[in-house]
Amino acid sequence: EADIYQTPRYLVIGTGKKITLECSQTMGHDKMYWYQQDPGMELHLIHYSYGVNSTEKGDLSSESTVSRIRTEHFPLTLESARPSHTSQYLCASSESAGGATEAFFGQGTRLTVV
Amino acid sequence: DQQVKQNSPSLSVQEGRISILNCDYTNSMFDYFLWYKKYPAEGPTFLISISSIKDKNEDGRFTVFLNKSAKHLSLHIVPSQPGDSAVYFCAARSTGNTPLVFGKGTRLSVIA
Repeated sequence: EADIYQTPRYLVIGTGKKITLECSQTMGHDKMYWYQQDPGMELHLIHYSYGVNSTEKGDLSSESTVSRIRTEHFPLTLESARPSHTSQYLCASSESAGGATEAFFGQGTRLTVV
Repeated sequence: DQQVKQNSPSLSVQEGRISILNCDYTNSMFDYFLWYKKYPAEGPTFLISISSIKDKNEDGRFTVFLNKSAKHLSLHIVPSQPGDSAVYFCAARSTGNTPLVFGKGTRLSVIA
Protein backbone atom coordinates (compact mmCIF):
# COMPACT_ATOMS: atom_id res chain seq x y z
CA GLU A 1 0.00 0.00 0.00
CA ALA A 2 1.30 3.43 -0.99
CA ASP A 3 2.21 5.78 1.83
CA ILE A 4 1.53 9.13 0.25
CA TYR A 5 -0.93 11.54 1.78
CA GLN A 6 -2.66 14.64 0.58
CA THR A 7 -4.59 17.17 2.64
CA PRO A 8 -7.18 18.45 2.45
CA ARG A 9 -9.25 15.97 0.45
CA TYR A 10 -11.79 18.63 -0.43
CA LEU A 11 -11.50 22.42 -0.32
CA VAL A 12 -13.99 25.11 -1.24
CA ILE A 13 -12.50 28.57 -1.10
CA GLY A 14 -13.29 32.10 -2.24
CA THR A 15 -11.60 33.91 -5.10
CA GLY A 16 -8.40 35.71 -4.15
CA LYS A 17 -7.53 33.50 -1.19
CA LYS A 18 -4.09 31.95 -0.77
CA ILE A 19 -4.09 28.18 -0.42
CA THR A 20 -1.52 25.45 0.15
CA LEU A 21 -2.17 21.85 -0.78
CA GLU A 22 -0.12 19.44 1.30
CA CYS A 23 1.56 16.27 0.08
CA SER A 24 3.74 13.96 2.15
CA GLN A 25 5.24 10.55 1.50
CA THR A 26 6.97 8.15 3.85
CA MET A 27 8.61 5.94 1.24
CA GLY A 28 11.82 7.95 0.96
CA HIS A 29 11.22 8.62 -2.73
CA ASP A 30 13.38 11.28 -4.33
CA LYS A 31 10.97 12.03 -7.16
CA MET A 32 7.66 13.77 -6.54
CA TYR A 33 5.05 15.16 -8.90
CA TRP A 34 1.90 17.28 -9.02
CA TYR A 35 -0.72 16.52 -11.64
CA GLN A 36 -3.96 18.35 -12.37
CA GLN A 37 -6.97 16.50 -13.70
CA ASP A 38 -10.40 17.57 -14.89
CA PRO A 39 -13.22 15.08 -15.58
CA GLY A 40 -12.78 13.22 -18.85
CA MET A 41 -9.32 14.62 -19.36
CA GLU A 42 -5.80 13.31 -18.97
CA LEU A 43 -3.65 13.99 -15.95
CA HIS A 44 -1.52 17.03 -16.74
CA LEU A 45 1.89 17.38 -15.11
CA ILE A 46 2.21 20.83 -13.53
CA HIS A 47 5.29 20.45 -11.28
CA TYR A 48 7.91 17.86 -10.41
CA SER A 49 10.95 17.49 -8.22
CA TYR A 50 13.87 15.10 -8.39
CA GLY A 51 15.08 15.82 -4.88
CA VAL A 52 15.48 18.41 -2.15
CA ASN A 53 15.80 21.98 -3.48
CA SER A 54 14.96 20.75 -7.01
CA THR A 55 11.72 21.84 -8.67
CA GLU A 56 10.69 22.00 -12.31
CA LYS A 57 7.58 23.14 -14.16
CA GLY A 58 5.61 20.52 -16.02
CA ASP A 59 3.97 20.51 -19.42
CA LEU A 60 0.85 22.38 -18.32
CA SER A 61 1.38 26.00 -17.42
CA SER A 62 0.22 26.66 -13.89
CA GLU A 63 0.07 29.72 -11.66
CA SER A 64 0.87 27.54 -8.68
CA THR A 65 4.29 27.20 -7.07
CA VAL A 66 5.95 24.34 -5.22
CA SER A 67 8.81 23.84 -2.79
CA ARG A 68 10.89 20.83 -1.76
CA ILE A 69 12.70 21.60 1.45
CA ARG A 70 12.41 18.06 2.80
CA THR A 71 12.42 14.76 0.91
CA GLU A 72 9.05 13.71 2.24
CA HIS A 73 7.15 16.97 1.72
CA PHE A 74 6.09 18.64 -1.55
CA PRO A 75 3.47 21.35 -0.96
CA LEU A 76 1.73 23.28 -3.74
CA THR A 77 0.69 26.90 -3.23
CA LEU A 78 -1.73 29.16 -5.07
CA GLU A 79 -1.16 32.79 -4.06
CA SER A 80 -4.53 34.01 -5.31
CA ALA A 81 -7.13 31.38 -6.14
CA ARG A 82 -9.44 31.87 -9.13
CA PRO A 83 -12.43 29.86 -10.40
CA SER A 84 -10.23 28.61 -13.28
CA HIS A 85 -8.13 26.79 -10.66
CA THR A 86 -11.07 24.54 -9.83
CA SER A 87 -9.82 21.01 -10.48
CA GLN A 88 -8.52 17.84 -8.87
CA TYR A 89 -4.87 18.01 -7.82
CA LEU A 90 -2.97 14.74 -7.55
CA CYS A 91 0.42 14.28 -5.89
CA ALA A 92 2.65 11.31 -6.70
CA SER A 93 6.09 9.97 -5.91
CA SER A 94 8.44 7.38 -7.37
CA GLU A 95 11.85 5.88 -6.83
CA SER A 96 14.84 7.26 -8.65
CA ALA A 97 16.62 4.05 -9.52
CA GLY A 98 15.91 2.46 -12.87
CA GLY A 99 13.03 2.98 -15.26
CA ALA A 100 10.77 0.15 -14.24
CA THR A 101 9.17 1.91 -11.30
CA GLU A 102 5.62 3.04 -11.00
CA ALA A 103 4.46 6.30 -9.48
CA PHE A 104 2.33 6.11 -6.35
CA PHE A 105 -0.50 8.60 -6.03
CA GLY A 106 -2.15 10.23 -3.08
CA GLN A 107 -5.93 10.44 -2.71
CA GLY A 108 -6.05 13.82 -4.39
CA THR A 109 -7.42 17.22 -3.40
CA ARG A 110 -10.63 18.38 -5.03
CA LEU A 111 -10.39 22.18 -5.14
CA THR A 112 -13.39 24.40 -5.85
CA VAL A 113 -12.88 28.15 -6.10
CA VAL A 114 -16.08 30.18 -5.88
CA ASP B 1 -0.42 17.34 -29.13
CA GLN B 2 -1.37 14.25 -27.17
CA GLN B 3 1.42 11.70 -26.93
CA VAL B 4 -0.76 9.04 -25.30
CA LYS B 5 -4.21 8.48 -26.75
CA GLN B 6 -7.14 6.50 -25.46
CA ASN B 7 -9.74 6.92 -28.17
CA SER B 8 -12.60 5.16 -26.41
CA PRO B 9 -14.03 7.34 -23.64
CA SER B 10 -16.17 4.50 -22.36
CA LEU B 11 -16.67 0.75 -22.56
CA SER B 12 -19.46 -1.42 -21.26
CA VAL B 13 -18.94 -5.16 -20.71
CA GLN B 14 -20.98 -7.96 -19.20
CA GLU B 15 -19.72 -9.58 -16.02
CA GLY B 16 -17.58 -12.62 -16.77
CA ARG B 17 -16.65 -11.48 -20.28
CA ILE B 18 -13.37 -9.99 -21.44
CA SER B 19 -12.70 -6.24 -21.26
CA ILE B 20 -10.18 -4.85 -23.75
CA LEU B 21 -8.93 -1.31 -23.28
CA ASN B 22 -6.76 0.23 -25.94
CA CYS B 23 -4.03 2.84 -25.96
CA ASP B 24 -1.91 4.37 -28.72
CA TYR B 25 1.20 6.47 -28.38
CA THR B 26 3.22 8.67 -30.69
CA ASN B 27 6.54 9.16 -28.90
CA SER B 28 9.04 6.49 -29.99
CA MET B 29 11.20 7.36 -26.96
CA PHE B 30 8.67 5.82 -24.58
CA ASP B 31 10.14 2.65 -23.09
CA TYR B 32 7.86 1.86 -20.18
CA PHE B 33 4.09 1.69 -20.12
CA LEU B 34 1.67 1.50 -17.23
CA TRP B 35 -2.04 1.13 -16.58
CA TYR B 36 -3.74 2.85 -13.67
CA LYS B 37 -7.24 2.44 -12.32
CA LYS B 38 -9.08 5.41 -10.84
CA TYR B 39 -12.29 5.74 -8.88
CA PRO B 40 -14.06 9.13 -8.62
CA ALA B 41 -12.52 11.47 -6.02
CA GLU B 42 -9.61 9.06 -5.50
CA GLY B 43 -6.04 9.00 -6.75
CA PRO B 44 -5.02 6.57 -9.50
CA THR B 45 -3.91 3.11 -8.38
CA PHE B 46 -1.18 1.27 -10.27
CA LEU B 47 -2.45 -1.84 -12.00
CA ILE B 48 0.15 -3.35 -14.30
CA SER B 49 3.11 -2.30 -16.43
CA ILE B 50 5.24 -3.45 -19.33
CA SER B 51 8.71 -2.63 -20.52
CA SER B 52 9.33 -1.97 -24.20
CA ILE B 53 11.55 -5.06 -24.38
CA LYS B 54 8.52 -7.27 -23.76
CA ASP B 55 5.32 -7.80 -25.69
CA LYS B 56 3.19 -9.25 -22.91
CA ASN B 57 2.91 -9.07 -19.16
CA GLU B 58 0.34 -10.94 -17.11
CA ASP B 59 -0.81 -10.51 -13.53
CA GLY B 60 -3.82 -12.56 -12.50
CA ARG B 61 -6.86 -11.39 -14.44
CA PHE B 62 -4.93 -8.55 -16.05
CA THR B 63 -2.73 -8.84 -19.14
CA VAL B 64 -1.07 -6.01 -21.01
CA PHE B 65 0.04 -6.45 -24.62
CA LEU B 66 2.51 -4.17 -26.37
CA ASN B 67 2.90 -3.82 -30.13
CA LYS B 68 5.87 -1.51 -30.60
CA SER B 69 5.71 -1.39 -34.38
CA ALA B 70 2.12 -0.18 -34.19
CA LYS B 71 2.79 1.97 -31.10
CA HIS B 72 -0.19 0.32 -29.49
CA LEU B 73 -0.89 -1.35 -26.20
CA SER B 74 -3.95 -2.96 -24.73
CA LEU B 75 -5.15 -4.08 -21.34
CA HIS B 76 -7.19 -7.28 -21.13
CA ILE B 77 -9.28 -8.05 -18.08
CA VAL B 78 -10.74 -11.53 -17.91
CA PRO B 79 -13.10 -12.36 -16.42
CA SER B 80 -14.48 -8.87 -15.85
CA GLN B 81 -16.07 -8.20 -12.47
CA PRO B 82 -18.40 -5.39 -11.32
CA GLY B 83 -15.62 -4.14 -9.02
CA ASP B 84 -13.52 -3.46 -12.12
CA SER B 85 -15.85 -0.58 -13.02
CA ALA B 86 -13.61 2.51 -12.94
CA VAL B 87 -11.67 4.83 -15.22
CA TYR B 88 -8.52 3.24 -16.64
CA PHE B 89 -5.59 5.44 -17.59
CA CYS B 90 -2.78 4.44 -19.90
CA ALA B 91 0.57 6.10 -19.07
CA ALA B 92 4.06 6.07 -20.53
CA ARG B 93 7.52 7.31 -19.71
CA SER B 94 10.65 7.92 -21.74
CA THR B 95 14.11 6.56 -21.07
CA GLY B 96 15.69 8.16 -18.03
CA ASN B 97 12.70 7.65 -15.74
CA THR B 98 10.98 10.86 -16.83
CA PRO B 99 7.55 11.89 -15.47
CA LEU B 100 4.60 9.84 -16.65
CA VAL B 101 2.49 11.06 -19.57
CA PHE B 102 -1.16 10.04 -19.34
CA GLY B 103 -4.02 9.43 -21.75
CA LYS B 104 -7.54 10.77 -21.17
CA GLY B 105 -8.77 7.51 -19.71
CA THR B 106 -11.49 4.99 -20.59
CA ARG B 107 -14.46 4.54 -18.29
CA LEU B 108 -15.17 0.81 -17.93
CA SER B 109 -18.59 -0.30 -16.75
CA VAL B 110 -18.99 -3.99 -15.92
CA ILE B 111 -22.65 -4.95 -15.86
CA ALA B 112 -23.80 -7.76 -13.61
